[in-house]
Amino acid sequence: QVQLVQSGAEVKKPGSSVKVSCKASGVTFSNFAITWVRQAPGQGLEWMGRIIPILGINNYAQKFRGRVTITADKSTSTAYMDLSSLRSEDTAVYYCAKIGAYGDYDYWGQGTLVTVSS
Amino acid sequence: QSVLTQPPSVSGAPGQRVTISCTGSSSNIGAGNDVHWYQQLPGTAPKLLIYGNNIRPSGVPDRFSGSKSGTSASLAITGLQAEDEADYYCQSYDSSLTGRDVVFGGGTKLTVL
Repeated sequence: QVQLVQSGAEVKKPGSSVKVSCKASGVTFSNFAITWVRQAPGQGLEWMGRIIPILGINNYAQKFRGRVTITADKSTSTAYMDLSSLRSEDTAVYYCAKIGAYGDYDYWGQGTLVTVSS
Repeated sequence: QSVLTQPPSVSGAPGQRVTISCTGSSSNIGAGNDVHWYQQLPGTAPKLLIYGNNIRPSGVPDRFSGSKSGTSASLAITGLQAEDEADYYCQSYDSSLTGRDVVFGGGTKLTVL
């Protein structure tokens, strides 16, 4: 049974950074890619980027390039999403998801609420 | 403004059939990229409903079906049930000058009357 468990909620000041973790179990971590998607309050889903741990390759949405870094630690089967220069508009629930064979997102983490407030 | 366009809301009575459209362009759905659909119940993470345009993951009832034609895709739900009340999102890939990015529809809220 594939499970993705994310770190807990965070409250951050504008201008700071946040790092959210996503620990995978029930599957060989190196055999798939992980993506990060966020959802602002009352809004839709927004893709941020993805990583292929076995290759160490990542891609980022243009909107977040320069501010987001996605990494993976194969030894602990954990992916990380680091977002810097936070502003109030970054307040959202951040999800990690496993990428399936068709480019779909077949398993999701429970979500991590990041609140940016002074 | 989402790259993929969905109606903001649809509704139907129990037992009825509803469809949710997802309209794209020649750089995403029309370029042959697969469309995937997700169901998001209030306060929960999205759940994969349809992948590869029309494939149901194990455990998804056959009341849910997907199709794709040209630059659009559709999700159909037959025999509507109260538990189907949720937000639905389509997802595909878009090939642009900046690369091959993931794109979502803006989401459709389904209300079961």
